[in-house]
Amino acid sequence: EAGVTQFPSHSVIEKGQTVTLRCDPISGHDNLYWYRRVMGKEIKFLLHFVKESKQDESGMPNNRFLAERTGGTYSTLKVQPAELEDSGVYFCASSPRQGKTYEQYFGPGTRLTVT
Amino acid sequence: QQQVKQSPQSLIVQKGGISIINCAYENTAFDYFPWYQQFPGKGPALLIAIRPDVSEKKEGRFTISFNKSAKQFSLHIMDSQPGDSATYFCAASSRVQAGTALIFGKGTTLSVSS
Repeated sequence: EAGVTQFPSHSVIEKGQTVTLRCDPISGHDNLYWYRRVMGKEIKFLLHFVKESKQDESGMPNNRFLAERTGGTYSTLKVQPAELEDSGVYFCASSPRQGKTYEQYFGPGTRLTVT
Repeated sequence: QQQVKQSPQSLIVQKGGISIINCAYENTAFDYFPWYQQFPGKGPALLIAIRPDVSEKKEGRFTISFNKSAKQFSLHIMDSQPGDSATYFCAASSRVQAGTALIFGKGTTLSVSS
């Protein structure tokens, strides 16, 4: 079974530019999460999808961040316009619809550097 | 306000020794406590997890000890090996609310010297 995949692995952009991160969850996992780790800090929750619906977006820092999950499969996280403080590693995780819905499996992350 | 506090920030252990990482939580609604292991360039991988109805869970060389009254839990790595060198994160969430976000500690960087 393929794990969670994320693209790109690393992105370097200038302040004010736009970046779109992509996450492909484990096949069949309805729950999809986005997290972010800023250097030296803890991994922090951004938002949670159940299929294509946003279940909880309480962790989204501001309206420069837009997450979508069209069709309930892969998800994208767009940052527009990017600011210096957006730098960090963005992780995607997924969990199954039934059974151990609380067991989250993480992707390798996208390292975003805003200069 | 940090809901899960993890210590130490870094740890150096000799090969064959015991590595101990501690976490404390505040929210009594938490009922699922996983540990994740992360190697450089990789994502966090679920290592072992415990529920509050048991005080200890062991998987191979990895053991979680849980103290519900003190709201603390810890990871013990027995016979630590250089391959265990990684960053370890404790986390907490509520299983009752399906899909609840994980709340993470800040992580512990473990180095096992040979």
